[in-house]
Amino acid sequence: GAVVSQHPSWVICKSGTSVKIECRSLDFQATTMFWYRQFPKQSLMLMATSNEGSKATYEQGVEKDKFLINHASLTLSTLTVTSAHPEDSSFYICSAMIDGGTDTQYFGPGTRLTVL
Amino acid sequence: GNSVTQMEGPVTLSEEAFLTINCTYTATGYPSLFWYVQYPGEGLQLLLKATKADDKGSNKGFEATYRKETTSFHLEKGSVQVSDSAVYFCALSDNTNAGKSTFGDGTTLTVKP
Repeated sequence: GAVVSQHPSWVICKSGTSVKIECRSLDFQATTMFWYRQFPKQSLMLMATSNEGSKATYEQGVEKDKFLINHASLTLSTLTVTSAHPEDSSFYICSAMIDGGTDTQYFGPGTRLTVL
Repeated sequence: GNSVTQMEGPVTLSEEAFLTINCTYTATGYPSLFWYVQYPGEGLQLLLKATKADDKGSNKGFEATYRKETTSFHLEKGSVQVSDSAVYFCALSDNTNAGKSTFGDGTTLTVKP
């Protein structure tokens, strides 16, 4: 149980285009999901907290207009990188918490974004 | 604010060696503590957790004990295998912070046959 999927697992796009990444909780409901960014050989950097039915809460220094988050249902959150540039290339990971469960986060497998 | 400090890596061991990866934390309140493992190109997997002082989390031969007096949560395994090669992250979750977790920098473990 407690499986989180991400789609796509990798994506290559041209500079200036937008890319949408999906995060789904497959066997549980998740009011709260998190989006992280991870650079090579580094730890996870929390970008934002995604809340179903309300606006996401962004961490300091993260541009909310560039990284659009939509949590439209209890099993799906999306991260859209708008007008992507090479510096946005990174590994993006989402996690979800089980509604009514503990404070354990369950992570997706990650999405590798490469912007040319 | 909260912080997690992990032993710096990389750590290289021979198969069947004893493993310790140190983790200490600073937190307000009473956090839950976690160890996650990340294999190359993948997301993080929960390895074990402990929610209160003196709790011991264990899984797949790995253990860690929540030590409030030393604010530590060191990861140990008695006999490592090549398949244990991965990056290990120590983390804490403070219930007063909307479920957010604070992660250590990660420790890369390589086990050689």
